[in-house]
Amino acid sequence: GENVEQHPSTLSVQEGDSAVIKCTYSDSASNYFPWYKQELGKRPQLIIDIRSNVGEKKDQRIAVTLNKTAKHFSLHITETQPEDSAVYFCAASIEGGAQKLVFGQGTRLTINP
Amino acid sequence: DAGITQSPRHKVTETGTPVTLRCHQTENHRYMYWYRQDPGHGLRLIHYSYGVKDTDKGEVSDGYSVSRSKTEDFLLTLESATSSQTSVYFCAIREPAGGGNEQFFGPGTRLTVL
Repeated sequence: GENVEQHPSTLSVQEGDSAVIKCTYSDSASNYFPWYKQELGKRPQLIIDIRSNVGEKKDQRIAVTLNKTAKHFSLHITETQPEDSAVYFCAASIEGGAQKLVFGQGTRLTINP
Repeated sequence: DAGITQSPRHKVTETGTPVTLRCHQTENHRYMYWYRQDPGHGLRLIHYSYGVKDTDKGEVSDGYSVSRSKTEDFLLTLESATSSQTSVYFCAIREPAGGGNEQFFGPGTRLTVL
């Protein structure tokens, strides 16, 4: 089955700097890769997703890149702000049908003022 | 919040007792999922449903059963709770009547098994 590894487990950056979180997956059939943000005590919320027919997707300060050959994808946050502090999870699945997401272990991102 | 609620939000129970968690949605989503979240493991799929009375196992289904007798409700049952089932449980929904592929999560249930 699918296995998703996420690094780093913790990340601390200065406000205004960029943050990058990386994930690798094992199943070449996976073609849907969402990223979730979870604030303390709250539910995970989808912030961006990418499908395997594109290599990059941007939404304001957030971007995700995908390398299908190497089976890895990354989340990039630019111009970080204190409200970006949270735990971020990557996931992988085959889109459609059951779409059983397999999650990475999570990255705790701290933005230092 | 995609019209999804969970009950109870917090529960403390003793080893060996049965526990049922409820997920309720109001927007006619076809798919419903139960995940558990534990430190260092991210979220792991327990069971999911693709319609009324249609369910299947996820990656950590041992010790859990589910039922979906109505579109809007998906129940997760721990027949005999164990301390290893202490966790935060999240329900998720997908594919509303109007289409869409994203999974949206409920607020979670914190379960403690003593």
